[in-house]
Amino acid sequence: ETGVTQTPRHLVMGMTNKKSLKCEQHLGHNAMYWYKQSAKKPLELMFVYNFKEQTENNSVPSRFSPECPNSSHLFLHLHTLQPEDSALYLCASSHPAGTKNEQFFGPGTRLTVL
Amino acid sequence: RKEVEQDPGPFNVPEGATVAFNCTYSNSASQSFFWYRQDCRKEPKLLMSVYSSGNEDGRFTAQLNRASQYISLLIRDSKLSDSATYLCVVNSHGGATNKLIFGTGTLLAVQP
Repeated sequence: ETGVTQTPRHLVMGMTNKKSLKCEQHLGHNAMYWYKQSAKKPLELMFVYNFKEQTENNSVPSRFSPECPNSSHLFLHLHTLQPEDSALYLCASSHPAGTKNEQFFGPGTRLTVL
Repeated sequence: RKEVEQDPGPFNVPEGATVAFNCTYSNSASQSFFWYRQDCRKEPKLLMSVYSSGNEDGRFTAQLNRASQYISLLIRDSKLSDSATYLCVVNSHGGATNKLIFGTGTLLAVQP
């Protein structure tokens, strides 16, 4: 089974709420990622962290705020979201760039913004 | 042009059939290629990496054509359990970064 866990699995929030998504990996990886998957669209990379440092921000709105306190944990803090932000948010981990970089995904958080 | 393009399908095939999926990518500097499988309402899971020489894993064969910037996946003797969306994935800037670009996926439905 997956070595990447995500909580919560489902989240419904209003546009004025603040919530956080959590991801934890048990694979000994040093790179972690946030992706967004909307219906009928390919996975969209949001953020990349290598050795706890953010190395990629794919033009993500500031209402999404990532945090990586250590190589095993990744958070996505959400505030004042819009209904179009409703999607499946997937966390992944891998070895860092320059090595075997297959990414392993968590089960995702299905987010609904009302 | 999309960075990674796939035929979205659906491909409806009977059990036992052979089915092939194709994918093209736009960045000639790409170095790493993968096929992922995604079941309905589940996360993507790595099916296989794609190597220049081509590689096989049981009923699955992946091929890479760098000159044409084209990747393929062949599934032989399809099973009902093969029904899923197959995602073509490319490392967008060679091996120097770990930014993967996903295609929209090809939906396969294997019929009894």
